[in-house]
Amino acid sequence: DTEVTQTPKHLVMGMTNKKSLKCEQHMGHRAMYWYKQKAKKPPELMFVYSYEKLSINESVPSRFSPECPNSSLLNLHLHALQPEDSALYLCASSQDKGQASYEQYFGPGTRLTVT
Amino acid sequence: GQNIDQPTEMTATEGAIVQINCTYQTSGFNGLFWYQQHAGEAPTFLSYNVLDGLEEKGRFSSFLSRSKGYSYLLLKELQMKDSASYLCAVRIDYKLSFGAGTTVTVRA
Repeated sequence: DTEVTQTPKHLVMGMTNKKSLKCEQHMGHRAMYWYKQKAKKPPELMFVYSYEKLSINESVPSRFSPECPNSSLLNLHLHALQPEDSALYLCASSQDKGQASYEQYFGPGTRLTVT
Repeated sequence: GQNIDQPTEMTATEGAIVQINCTYQTSGFNGLFWYQQHAGEAPTFLSYNVLDGLEEKGRFSSFLSRSKGYSYLLLKELQMKDSASYLCAVRIDYKLSFGAGTTVTVRA
């Protein structure tokens, strides 16, 4: 199983809502990532978890709150978002964050629209 | 910031060959990845280069020259399903920095 799954596929939320994005992998990977991708732009790294601990936060606003409940799951909690936060949110995983050759496997993403 | 450049768009005919160039100026280098991304889908891994030279995988090949800060992805015997965005990504420590992507359109 080389699949990373993400739910929901689409999400529309108001600026006062609280919602969560979920990501799951069963490849035994110990590094998991959140990326944000705007239309016709490359993915931009937001967070990296290694062995269930947050190791990189790319100066992401606090209205985005990541959580790694266990080695297979990664959540992104959303609160008080702005319309400019509308984007495709991609989750990825790799065997380890330290080994340079380990490719990242991406999920299909959640298309988020903030109204 | 990191500077990773690739052409915005390329068009080629079915059965032909297309070469997508990527140049980079980055603060570090731990390898270069190529990913394919179809519209609305996840990026999928194509190749990884860390040493100079050519890596071949079926119809896809990738080349790296570290001294020139240059890589290319070669797609041979193009098929309609190869129409997609191709992303060049440089690994720096634990992070991947992506280029803006090259949209390849394959015409019959």
